[in-house]
Amino acid sequence: GAGVSQSPRYKVAKRGQDVALRCDPISGHVSLFWYQQALGQGPEFLTYFQNEAQLDKSGLPSDRFFAERPEGSVSTLKIQRTQQEDSAVYLCASSLAPGDSNQPQHFGDGTRLSIL
Amino acid sequence: GENVEQHPSTLSVQEGDSAVIKCTYSDSASNYFPWYKQELGKRPQLIIDIRSNVGEKKDQRIAVTLNKTAKHFSLHITETQPEDSAVYFCAASITGGFKTIFGAGTRLFVKA
Repeated sequence: GAGVSQSPRYKVAKRGQDVALRCDPISGHVSLFWYQQALGQGPEFLTYFQNEAQLDKSGLPSDRFFAERPEGSVSTLKIQRTQQEDSAVYLCASSLAPGDSNQPQHFGDGTRLSIL
Repeated sequence: GENVEQHPSTLSVQEGDSAVIKCTYSDSASNYFPWYKQELGKRPQLIIDIRSNVGEKKDQRIAVTLNKTAKHFSLHITETQPEDSAVYFCAASITGGFKTIFGAGTRLFVKA
Protein backbone atom coordinates (compact mmCIF):
# COMPACT_ATOMS: atom_id res chain seq x y z
CA GLY A 1 0.00 0.00 0.00
CA ALA A 2 0.94 3.65 0.29
CA GLY A 3 3.86 4.81 2.36
CA VAL A 4 3.81 7.18 5.30
CA SER A 5 1.86 10.31 4.44
CA GLN A 6 2.25 13.66 6.15
CA SER A 7 0.22 16.83 5.81
CA PRO A 8 0.54 19.64 5.20
CA ARG A 9 3.83 19.53 3.30
CA TYR A 10 4.48 23.16 4.11
CA LYS A 11 3.11 25.28 6.92
CA VAL A 12 3.76 28.95 7.56
CA ALA A 13 2.53 30.41 10.82
CA LYS A 14 3.01 33.60 12.76
CA ARG A 15 4.79 33.46 16.06
CA GLY A 16 2.34 32.66 18.80
CA GLN A 17 -0.08 30.67 16.64
CA ASP A 18 -0.89 27.03 17.24
CA VAL A 19 -0.21 24.45 14.54
CA ALA A 20 -1.21 20.82 14.00
CA LEU A 21 0.76 18.40 11.85
CA ARG A 22 -0.72 15.12 10.69
CA CYS A 23 0.86 11.72 10.04
CA ASP A 24 -0.78 8.74 8.36
CA PRO A 25 1.46 5.72 8.98
CA ILE A 26 1.60 2.60 6.85
CA SER A 27 -1.50 0.53 7.56
CA GLY A 28 -0.90 -2.04 10.28
CA HIS A 29 2.29 -0.47 11.58
CA VAL A 30 2.43 -0.67 15.35
CA SER A 31 5.16 1.90 15.92
CA LEU A 32 5.05 5.61 15.12
CA PHE A 33 7.86 8.08 15.69
CA TRP A 34 8.06 11.86 15.39
CA TYR A 35 11.35 13.62 14.65
CA GLN A 36 12.43 17.23 14.28
CA GLN A 37 15.03 17.96 11.59
CA ALA A 38 16.73 21.33 11.62
CA LEU A 39 18.40 22.57 8.45
CA GLY A 40 21.62 20.67 7.80
CA GLN A 41 21.14 18.34 10.75
CA GLY A 42 20.03 14.78 11.35
CA PRO A 43 16.54 13.96 12.60
CA GLU A 44 16.14 14.38 16.36
CA PHE A 45 13.76 12.09 18.23
CA LEU A 46 10.67 13.73 19.70
CA THR A 47 8.26 11.01 20.73
CA TYR A 48 7.22 7.39 20.18
CA PHE A 49 3.84 5.62 20.07
CA GLN A 50 3.17 1.91 20.24
CA ASN A 51 -0.36 1.69 18.91
CA GLU A 52 -2.25 4.38 20.87
CA ALA A 53 0.14 4.43 23.83
CA GLN A 54 2.75 7.17 23.99
CA LEU A 55 5.65 5.25 25.52
CA ASP A 56 8.39 7.84 25.18
CA LYS A 57 8.03 11.60 24.96
CA SER A 58 11.44 12.47 26.30
CA GLY A 59 12.44 14.32 23.13
CA LEU A 60 9.65 16.88 23.17
CA PRO A 61 11.47 20.19 23.67
CA SER A 62 8.85 21.90 25.83
CA ASP A 63 5.32 21.58 27.14
CA ARG A 64 4.19 23.52 24.07
CA PHE A 65 4.62 20.29 22.10
CA PHE A 66 1.92 17.66 22.33
CA ALA A 67 1.35 14.49 20.30
CA GLU A 68 -1.49 12.01 20.16
CA ARG A 69 -2.50 8.85 18.34
CA PRO A 70 -5.94 8.16 19.80
CA GLU A 71 -6.94 5.16 17.67
CA GLY A 72 -3.51 3.72 17.07
CA SER A 73 -3.24 4.84 13.47
CA VAL A 74 -3.22 8.54 12.49
CA SER A 75 -1.11 10.78 14.71
CA THR A 76 -1.12 14.52 15.24
CA LEU A 77 1.75 16.64 16.53
CA LYS A 78 0.53 19.93 17.95
CA ILE A 79 2.69 22.90 18.76
CA GLN A 80 1.15 25.66 20.82
CA ARG A 81 2.27 29.30 20.92
CA THR A 82 4.86 28.68 18.21
CA GLN A 83 8.30 30.29 18.43
CA GLN A 84 10.82 30.98 15.68
CA GLU A 85 13.06 28.18 16.97
CA ASP A 86 10.26 25.73 16.16
CA SER A 87 10.99 26.25 12.45
CA ALA A 88 12.17 22.89 11.11
CA VAL A 89 11.05 19.87 9.13
CA TYR A 90 8.93 17.52 11.21
CA LEU A 91 9.28 13.92 10.12
CA CYS A 92 7.04 11.03 10.98
CA ALA A 93 8.15 7.41 10.69
CA SER A 94 6.43 4.09 11.25
CA SER A 95 7.53 0.51 11.60
CA LEU A 96 5.69 -2.79 11.66
CA ALA A 97 7.01 -4.09 14.95
CA PRO A 98 7.19 -2.55 18.43
CA GLY A 99 9.83 0.16 18.64
CA ASP A 100 12.05 -1.70 21.01
CA SER A 101 12.65 -4.47 18.49
CA ASN A 102 14.81 -2.19 16.34
CA GLN A 103 13.11 -2.67 13.00
CA PRO A 104 13.64 -0.35 10.01
CA GLN A 105 11.60 2.82 10.09
CA HIS A 106 9.72 4.13 7.07
CA PHE A 107 9.66 7.91 6.86
CA GLY A 108 7.18 10.37 5.44
CA ASP A 109 8.21 13.38 3.35
CA GLY A 110 7.85 15.63 6.37
CA THR A 111 6.15 18.94 7.09
CA ARG A 112 8.33 22.00 6.65
CA LEU A 113 7.24 24.46 9.33
CA SER A 114 8.25 28.10 9.09
CA ILE A 115 7.45 30.48 11.93
CA LEU A 116 7.51 34.15 11.01
CA GLY B 1 22.42 9.18 26.68
CA GLU B 2 23.57 7.98 23.29
CA ASN B 3 25.58 10.32 21.07
CA VAL B 4 26.44 9.62 17.43
CA GLU B 5 29.19 11.50 15.63
CA GLN B 6 29.55 11.33 11.86
CA HIS B 7 32.46 12.25 9.58
CA PRO B 8 33.08 13.83 7.18
CA SER B 9 30.32 16.40 6.93
CA THR B 10 30.98 16.77 3.19
CA LEU B 11 32.56 14.32 0.78
CA SER B 12 33.27 14.83 -2.88
CA VAL B 13 34.39 11.93 -5.09
CA GLN B 14 34.83 11.25 -8.77
CA GLU B 15 32.35 8.93 -10.43
CA GLY B 16 33.57 5.36 -10.12
CA ASP B 17 35.60 6.00 -6.96
CA SER B 18 34.71 4.67 -3.53
CA ALA B 19 33.20 6.70 -0.70
CA VAL B 20 33.56 5.96 3.00
CA ILE B 21 31.54 7.58 5.80
CA LYS B 22 32.41 6.91 9.43
CA CYS B 23 30.35 7.11 12.61
CA THR B 24 31.13 6.61 16.27
CA TYR B 25 28.66 6.02 19.07
CA SER B 26 28.96 6.42 22.81
CA ASP B 27 26.58 3.89 24.37
CA SER B 28 27.96 0.36 24.35
CA ALA B 29 24.38 -0.94 24.71
CA SER B 30 23.54 0.23 21.18
CA ASN B 31 23.00 -2.78 18.97
CA TYR B 32 21.20 -1.65 15.83
CA PHE B 33 22.79 0.66 13.26
CA PRO B 34 20.78 1.77 10.22
CA TRP B 35 21.97 4.05 7.43
CA TYR B 36 19.59 6.39 5.62
CA LYS B 37 19.92 8.30 2.35
CA GLN B 38 18.09 11.59 2.01
CA GLU B 39 17.85 13.45 -1.28
CA LEU B 40 17.08 17.16 -1.23
CA GLY B 41 13.54 17.79 -0.03
CA LYS B 42 12.72 14.10 0.21
CA ARG B 43 12.23 11.57 2.94
CA PRO B 44 15.11 9.61 4.51
CA GLN B 45 15.21 6.11 3.05
CA LEU B 46 16.87 3.12 4.65
CA ILE B 47 19.70 1.80 2.48
CA ILE B 48 21.30 -0.77 4.77
CA ASP B 49 21.38 -1.72 8.44
CA ILE B 50 23.51 -3.89 10.68
CA ARG B 51 23.00 -5.47 14.08
CA SER B 52 25.68 -5.91 16.67
CA ASN B 53 25.92 -9.66 16.23
CA VAL B 54 27.60 -9.25 12.83
CA GLY B 55 30.69 -7.36 11.78
CA GLU B 56 29.94 -6.68 8.15
CA LYS B 57 27.01 -6.63 5.76
CA LYS B 58 26.98 -6.05 2.03
CA ASP B 59 24.28 -5.24 -0.50
CA GLN B 60 25.55 -4.80 -4.05
CA ARG B 61 27.68 -1.62 -4.06
CA ILE B 62 26.96 -0.77 -0.44
CA ALA B 63 28.60 -2.31 2.62
CA VAL B 64 28.61 -1.50 6.31
CA THR B 65 31.21 -2.57 8.86
CA LEU B 66 30.88 -2.51 12.64
CA ASN B 67 33.61 -2.51 15.28
CA LYS B 68 31.89 -2.98 18.63
CA THR B 69 35.09 -2.69 20.63
CA ALA B 70 35.93 0.68 19.17
CA LYS B 71 32.24 1.67 18.95
CA HIS B 72 32.39 2.75 15.38
CA PHE B 73 30.73 1.75 12.13
CA SER B 74 31.28 2.76 8.54
CA LEU B 75 29.41 2.93 5.25
CA HIS B 76 31.29 2.00 2.09
CA ILE B 77 29.94 2.80 -1.37
CA THR B 78 31.91 1.38 -4.29
CA GLU B 79 31.77 2.39 -7.96
CA THR B 80 29.95 5.59 -7.08
CA GLN B 81 27.46 7.06 -9.52
CA PRO B 82 26.02 10.59 -9.79
CA GLU B 83 22.68 9.32 -8.44
CA ASP B 84 24.48 8.42 -5.20
CA SER B 85 24.74 12.15 -4.50
CA ALA B 86 22.65 12.84 -1.39
CA VAL B 87 22.94 13.29 2.37
CA TYR B 88 23.67 10.09 4.27
CA PHE B 89 22.79 9.63 7.95
CA CYS B 90 24.04 6.98 10.30
CA ALA B 91 22.02 6.11 13.40
CA ALA B 92 22.14 3.96 16.50
CA SER B 93 19.54 2.49 18.80
CA ILE B 94 19.32 0.15 21.78
CA THR B 95 17.17 -2.96 22.03
CA GLY B 96 14.47 -2.25 24.59
CA GLY B 97 14.64 1.49 23.95
CA PHE B 98 12.56 3.50 21.54
CA LYS B 99 14.95 6.23 20.51
CA THR B 100 17.02 6.20 17.37
CA ILE B 101 19.89 8.69 17.54
CA PHE B 102 21.06 10.09 14.23
CA GLY B 103 24.39 11.53 13.18
CA ALA B 104 24.53 15.02 11.70
CA GLY B 105 24.82 13.70 8.15
CA THR B 106 27.36 13.56 5.32
CA ARG B 107 26.67 15.37 2.09
CA LEU B 108 28.09 13.24 -0.71
CA PHE B 109 28.80 14.74 -4.12
CA VAL B 110 29.66 12.37 -6.96
CA LYS B 111 31.17 14.24 -9.88
CA ALA B 112 30.57 12.87 -13.36
